[in-house]
Amino acid sequence: QKEVEQNSGPLSVPEGAIASLNCTYSDRGSQSFFWYRQYSGKSPELIMSIYSNGDKEDGRFTAQLNKASQYVSLLIRDSQPSDSATYLCAVNMLRSSYKLIFGSGTRLLVRP
Amino acid sequence: EAGVTQSPTHLIKTRGQQATLRCSPISGHTSVYWYQQALGLGLQFLLWYDEGEERNRGNFPPRFSGRQFPNYSSELNVNALELEDSALYLCASSLQGGDVQPQHFGDGTRLSIL
Repeated sequence: QKEVEQNSGPLSVPEGAIASLNCTYSDRGSQSFFWYRQYSGKSPELIMSIYSNGDKEDGRFTAQLNKASQYVSLLIRDSQPSDSATYLCAVNMLRSSYKLIFGSGTRLLVRP
Repeated sequence: EAGVTQSPTHLIKTRGQQATLRCSPISGHTSVYWYQQALGLGLQFLLWYDEGEERNRGNFPPRFSGRQFPNYSSELNVNALELEDSALYLCASSLQGGDVQPQHFGDGTRLSIL
């Protein structure tokens, strides 16, 4: 089992729709969770961080964390073509001495 | 506020040579992290430096090494370059090491081995 798993996609949604990106992780002791956006050929850009169970909203982005299910998700409302990118889930794993472990990313395509 | 800066942007080397990549963290950040991202692959953790000390290391051979200077900037050295070392090398920084601070990335150095 991979430490951080994401569906590679591509996830294709029409403009204006809600895009839902999911991530599961293996270390139950993990405390910090991050979502990064990476455009092709560019470096990852931090979008959201979440540390406690529940939802955290920032503009069109909502991060959701369920530690019991070892599941973190990112919702993007009113998706725009400019949101088309690869979204990386990253988990700071206690048992890996706080190494930030990245999933392989989900490619999102927003159709105009 | 300046972000994480990396140099050079591109680096071309041949097999067996040595490469040095440099990184300046965001002002006030004391932790620096290095990652390798090979084409089409995910980010692989290389090294973590905090307060001048190596805090953690990924599953890479010893020919990957680095250091952090008193001003918190860092360099990554790769010796005896191999073709498979061709990748985007990303540096990130955070306020402090540990489990809660998010990491912010530089634009990367693209290393090509001929």
